[in-house]
Amino acid sequence: EAGVTQFPSHSVIEKGQTVTLRCDPISGHDNLYWYRRVMGKEIKFLLHFVKESKQDESGMPNNRFLAERTGGTYSTLKVQPAELEDSGVYFCASSQRAVRNSPLHFGNGTRLTVT
Amino acid sequence: GESVGLHLPTLSVQEGDNSIINCAYSNSASDYFIWYKQESGKGPQFIIDIRSNMDKRQGQRVTVLLNKTVKHLSLQIAATQPGDSAVYFCAETSPGGNKLVFGAGTILRVKS
Repeated sequence: EAGVTQFPSHSVIEKGQTVTLRCDPISGHDNLYWYRRVMGKEIKFLLHFVKESKQDESGMPNNRFLAERTGGTYSTLKVQPAELEDSGVYFCASSQRAVRNSPLHFGNGTRLTVT
Repeated sequence: GESVGLHLPTLSVQEGDNSIINCAYSNSASDYFIWYKQESGKGPQFIIDIRSNMDKRQGQRVTVLLNKTVKHLSLQIAATQPGDSAVYFCAETSPGGNKLVFGAGTILRVKS
């Protein structure tokens, strides 16, 4: 089966610009997660979708971040306007069932650099 | 490749030796734990998991040990190979939890 795919793999933008990251989960996976790793540190949770519904968005840092999953398939994460501290690697992951009952499959991430 | 960060602990081992990577988890209510491996330019990859009703679980060349008393998790890799070089993360979740909480990560470097 195809894994979780993320696009783009790299993005370099200037402060104040807008960037949209896309994630295509594994087909049939209702659970979709966004995580990010900033400054090479720990991987931090951003939010969790079950199908098209936001189950938990407690990790979203502020209202410059907007995630959507229209139709319950692919998801987008938009950063507008981007700030320097948003630089990092953004990972998407999906699972068939709740995280306690099935492993998370991660994409290779989008490396975002804000200059 | 991705920067691995200046503050992650690093474990250097000789090829063929055994590696032990440690993790202190934060939530005493956590009851499900996973080890992930992240290679440069890739996403985290599942290695092995363990539930709190166990204290040891073995996979192929890997063993996870859980000590709930001191909230400590370890990953043992037997006969470490160059391909094991990566950043290793432990992750936890609690009952009713819908997300994994990751630890800080440990860099494993294997010397040939």
